[in-house]
Amino acid sequence: EDQVTQSPEALRLQEGESSSLNCSYTVSGLRGLFWYRQDPGKGPEFLFTLYSAGEEKEKERLKATLTKKESFLHITAPKPEDSATYLCAVQGYTGNQFYFGTGTSLTVIP
Amino acid sequence: KAGVTQTPRYLIKTRGQQVTLSCSPISGHRSVSWYQQTPGQGLQFLFEYFSETQRNKGNFPGRFSGRQFSNSRSEMNVSTLELGDSALYLCASSSGVPNTGELFFGEGSRLTVL
Repeated sequence: EDQVTQSPEALRLQEGESSSLNCSYTVSGLRGLFWYRQDPGKGPEFLFTLYSAGEEKEKERLKATLTKKESFLHITAPKPEDSATYLCAVQGYTGNQFYFGTGTSLTVIP
Repeated sequence: KAGVTQTPRYLIKTRGQQVTLSCSPISGHRSVSWYQQTPGQGLQFLFEYFSETQRNKGNFPGRFSGRQFSNSRSEMNVSTLELGDSALYLCASSSGVPNTGELFFGEGSRLTVL
Protein backbone atom coordinates (compact mmCIF):
# COMPACT_ATOMS: atom_id res chain seq x y z
CA GLU A 1 0.00 0.00 0.00
CA ASP A 2 1.25 3.48 -0.86
CA GLN A 3 2.34 5.32 2.28
CA VAL A 4 4.01 8.57 3.32
CA THR A 5 5.65 9.27 6.69
CA GLN A 6 6.94 12.69 7.67
CA SER A 7 9.31 13.58 10.48
CA PRO A 8 9.60 15.32 12.78
CA GLU A 9 5.97 16.09 13.62
CA ALA A 10 6.96 19.49 14.94
CA LEU A 11 10.12 21.57 14.71
CA ARG A 12 11.05 24.82 16.42
CA LEU A 13 13.96 26.78 15.00
CA GLN A 14 15.60 30.05 15.84
CA GLU A 15 15.61 32.52 12.99
CA GLY A 16 18.64 31.73 10.84
CA GLU A 17 19.00 28.16 12.14
CA SER A 18 18.97 25.84 9.11
CA SER A 19 17.39 22.37 9.25
CA SER A 20 15.76 19.62 7.18
CA LEU A 21 12.36 17.96 7.10
CA ASN A 22 12.06 14.32 6.08
CA CYS A 23 9.47 12.52 3.97
CA SER A 24 9.77 8.74 3.64
CA TYR A 25 7.55 7.03 1.12
CA THR A 26 6.47 3.67 -0.16
CA VAL A 27 4.77 3.65 -3.53
CA SER A 28 4.35 1.14 -6.31
CA GLY A 29 5.92 3.21 -9.06
CA LEU A 30 6.49 6.88 -8.30
CA ARG A 31 4.82 9.28 -10.68
CA GLY A 32 5.75 12.31 -8.58
CA LEU A 33 6.55 13.57 -5.09
CA PHE A 34 5.07 16.90 -4.05
CA TRP A 35 5.75 19.38 -1.28
CA TYR A 36 3.06 21.75 -0.06
CA ARG A 37 2.95 24.48 2.54
CA GLN A 38 -0.18 24.99 4.65
CA ASP A 39 -0.85 28.04 6.78
CA PRO A 40 -3.45 27.88 9.58
CA GLY A 41 -6.99 28.09 8.24
CA LYS A 42 -5.83 27.83 4.63
CA GLY A 43 -5.63 25.13 2.01
CA PRO A 44 -2.23 23.67 1.09
CA GLU A 45 -0.13 25.69 -1.34
CA PHE A 46 2.07 23.94 -3.89
CA LEU A 47 5.84 24.27 -3.51
CA PHE A 48 7.68 21.62 -5.55
CA THR A 49 7.32 18.53 -7.69
CA LEU A 50 10.13 15.96 -7.91
CA TYR A 51 9.94 13.11 -10.39
CA SER A 52 13.12 11.03 -10.13
CA ALA A 53 15.86 10.15 -7.68
CA GLY A 54 18.65 12.72 -7.66
CA GLU A 55 16.40 15.58 -8.66
CA GLU A 56 16.57 18.86 -6.72
CA LYS A 57 14.38 21.98 -6.76
CA GLU A 58 14.96 25.33 -5.05
CA LYS A 59 12.78 28.27 -4.15
CA GLU A 60 14.08 31.10 -2.00
CA ARG A 61 15.20 29.50 1.31
CA LEU A 62 13.75 26.08 0.46
CA LYS A 63 15.43 23.21 -1.36
CA ALA A 64 13.80 19.85 -1.99
CA THR A 65 15.73 16.69 -2.83
CA LEU A 66 14.63 13.17 -3.74
CA THR A 67 16.08 9.68 -3.32
CA LYS A 68 14.46 6.33 -4.10
CA LYS A 69 12.97 6.10 -0.61
CA GLU A 70 12.74 9.60 0.81
CA SER A 71 12.70 13.31 0.18
CA PHE A 72 14.15 16.15 2.19
CA LEU A 73 13.02 19.72 2.43
CA HIS A 74 16.02 21.80 3.46
CA ILE A 75 15.34 25.20 4.99
CA THR A 76 18.31 27.56 4.95
CA ALA A 77 18.43 30.53 7.33
CA PRO A 78 14.66 30.43 8.00
CA LYS A 79 12.61 33.51 8.83
CA PRO A 80 9.46 33.73 10.99
CA GLU A 81 7.33 33.91 7.83
CA ASP A 82 8.46 30.38 6.99
CA SER A 83 6.41 29.14 9.95
CA ALA A 84 3.76 26.76 8.56
CA THR A 85 2.94 23.08 8.21
CA TYR A 86 4.84 21.41 5.38
CA LEU A 87 3.12 18.50 3.70
CA CYS A 88 4.61 15.83 1.50
CA ALA A 89 2.54 13.80 -0.97
CA VAL A 90 3.24 11.07 -3.49
CA GLN A 91 1.37 10.02 -6.59
CA GLY A 92 1.83 6.52 -7.93
CA TYR A 93 1.12 5.04 -11.33
CA THR A 94 -1.66 2.90 -9.90
CA GLY A 95 -4.67 5.21 -9.93
CA ASN A 96 -4.35 8.96 -9.85
CA GLN A 97 -4.76 9.72 -6.20
CA PHE A 98 -2.24 11.50 -4.03
CA TYR A 99 -1.14 10.11 -0.65
CA PHE A 100 -0.28 12.76 1.92
CA GLY A 101 1.85 12.60 5.03
CA THR A 102 0.59 14.14 8.25
CA GLY A 103 3.00 17.04 7.91
CA THR A 104 5.72 18.80 9.88
CA SER A 105 4.67 21.87 11.83
CA LEU A 106 7.53 24.37 11.63
CA THR A 107 7.82 27.33 13.98
CA VAL A 108 10.59 29.87 13.42
CA ILE A 109 11.27 32.05 16.45
CA PRO A 110 12.58 35.60 15.89
CA LYS B 1 -7.09 33.77 -12.66
CA ALA B 2 -9.55 32.88 -9.92
CA GLY B 3 -8.56 30.11 -7.55
CA VAL B 4 -10.55 27.21 -6.19
CA THR B 5 -13.66 28.38 -4.36
CA GLN B 6 -15.32 26.35 -1.64
CA THR B 7 -18.62 27.10 0.07
CA PRO B 8 -19.62 27.32 2.80
CA ARG B 9 -16.41 28.07 4.70
CA TYR B 10 -17.82 27.12 8.08
CA LEU B 11 -20.84 25.14 9.16
CA ILE B 12 -22.21 23.47 12.25
CA LYS B 13 -24.49 20.44 12.09
CA THR B 14 -25.85 17.94 14.55
CA ARG B 15 -25.52 14.18 14.49
CA GLY B 16 -27.84 12.49 12.00
CA GLN B 17 -28.14 15.50 9.72
CA GLN B 18 -26.71 15.67 6.22
CA VAL B 19 -24.51 18.28 4.61
CA THR B 20 -23.62 19.36 1.07
CA LEU B 21 -20.37 21.15 0.28
CA SER B 22 -19.60 22.91 -2.97
CA CYS B 23 -16.40 23.44 -4.94
CA SER B 24 -15.75 25.56 -8.03
CA PRO B 25 -12.42 24.60 -9.62
CA ILE B 26 -10.01 26.80 -11.50
CA SER B 27 -11.33 27.64 -14.94
CA GLY B 28 -10.26 24.98 -17.43
CA HIS B 29 -9.53 22.34 -14.79
CA ARG B 30 -11.52 19.16 -15.31
CA SER B 31 -10.39 17.16 -12.29
CA VAL B 32 -11.73 17.82 -8.81
CA SER B 33 -10.59 15.86 -5.76
CA TRP B 34 -11.92 15.96 -2.22
CA TYR B 35 -9.92 15.43 0.95
CA GLN B 36 -10.77 15.23 4.62
CA GLN B 37 -8.23 16.79 6.95
CA THR B 38 -8.16 16.06 10.68
CA PRO B 39 -5.36 16.71 13.19
CA GLY B 40 -4.65 13.04 13.77
CA GLN B 41 -5.03 11.62 10.27
CA GLY B 42 -3.81 14.40 8.03
CA LEU B 43 -5.27 14.62 4.53
CA GLN B 44 -7.32 11.58 3.62
CA PHE B 45 -8.45 11.11 0.02
CA LEU B 46 -12.22 10.90 -0.46
CA PHE B 47 -12.74 10.79 -4.22
CA GLU B 48 -11.80 12.34 -7.52
CA TYR B 49 -14.04 13.37 -10.37
CA PHE B 50 -13.00 13.97 -13.94
CA SER B 51 -15.43 15.07 -16.65
CA GLU B 52 -18.45 14.21 -14.48
CA THR B 53 -17.22 10.67 -13.73
CA GLN B 54 -15.82 9.39 -10.46
CA ARG B 55 -12.32 8.25 -11.38
CA ASN B 56 -10.97 7.28 -7.96
CA LYS B 57 -12.40 6.63 -4.54
CA GLY B 58 -10.78 6.45 -1.11
CA ASN B 59 -11.68 4.24 1.83
CA PHE B 60 -14.64 6.11 3.22
CA PRO B 61 -18.12 4.74 3.96
CA GLY B 62 -20.97 5.14 1.53
CA ARG B 63 -22.31 8.06 3.58
CA PHE B 64 -19.77 10.15 1.71
CA SER B 65 -20.73 10.82 -1.89
CA GLY B 66 -20.01 13.33 -4.55
CA ARG B 67 -20.79 14.45 -8.04
CA GLN B 68 -19.45 16.72 -10.72
CA PHE B 69 -21.42 18.88 -13.09
CA SER B 70 -20.79 19.64 -16.74
CA ASN B 71 -19.13 22.95 -15.82
CA SER B 72 -16.66 20.98 -13.59
CA ARG B 73 -18.15 22.32 -10.37
CA SER B 74 -18.39 19.60 -7.76
CA GLU B 75 -20.40 18.86 -4.66
CA MET B 76 -19.86 16.37 -1.91
CA ASN B 77 -22.53 15.13 0.45
CA VAL B 78 -22.26 13.49 3.82
CA SER B 79 -25.40 11.84 5.13
CA THR B 80 -26.22 10.74 8.67
CA LEU B 81 -23.45 12.84 10.18
CA GLU B 82 -21.35 11.43 13.00
CA LEU B 83 -19.19 13.29 15.53
CA GLY B 84 -16.09 11.89 13.81
CA ASP B 85 -17.01 13.66 10.58
CA SER B 86 -15.92 16.97 12.11
CA ALA B 87 -13.03 18.04 9.91
CA LEU B 88 -11.75 20.44 7.31
CA TYR B 89 -12.94 19.32 3.88
CA LEU B 90 -10.62 20.41 1.12
CA CYS B 91 -11.29 20.50 -2.58
CA ALA B 92 -8.45 20.48 -5.07
CA SER B 93 -8.49 20.97 -8.81
CA SER B 94 -6.03 20.05 -11.52
CA SER B 95 -5.95 19.75 -15.28
CA GLY B 96 -6.38 16.01 -14.87
CA VAL B 97 -5.09 15.01 -18.31
CA PRO B 98 -3.25 12.96 -17.26
CA ASN B 99 -3.62 13.67 -13.56
CA THR B 100 -0.06 14.61 -12.81
CA GLY B 101 1.37 17.79 -11.51
CA GLU B 102 0.28 19.88 -8.62
CA LEU B 103 -3.11 20.15 -7.01
CA PHE B 104 -4.62 23.57 -6.43
CA PHE B 105 -6.51 23.66 -3.15
CA GLY B 106 -9.37 25.79 -1.94
CA GLU B 107 -9.42 27.15 1.58
CA GLY B 108 -11.72 24.39 2.75
CA SER B 109 -15.07 23.97 4.45
CA ARG B 110 -14.79 23.47 8.19
CA LEU B 111 -17.54 21.18 9.41
CA THR B 112 -18.36 20.82 13.08
CA VAL B 113 -20.74 18.05 14.10
CA LEU B 114 -22.35 18.41 17.54
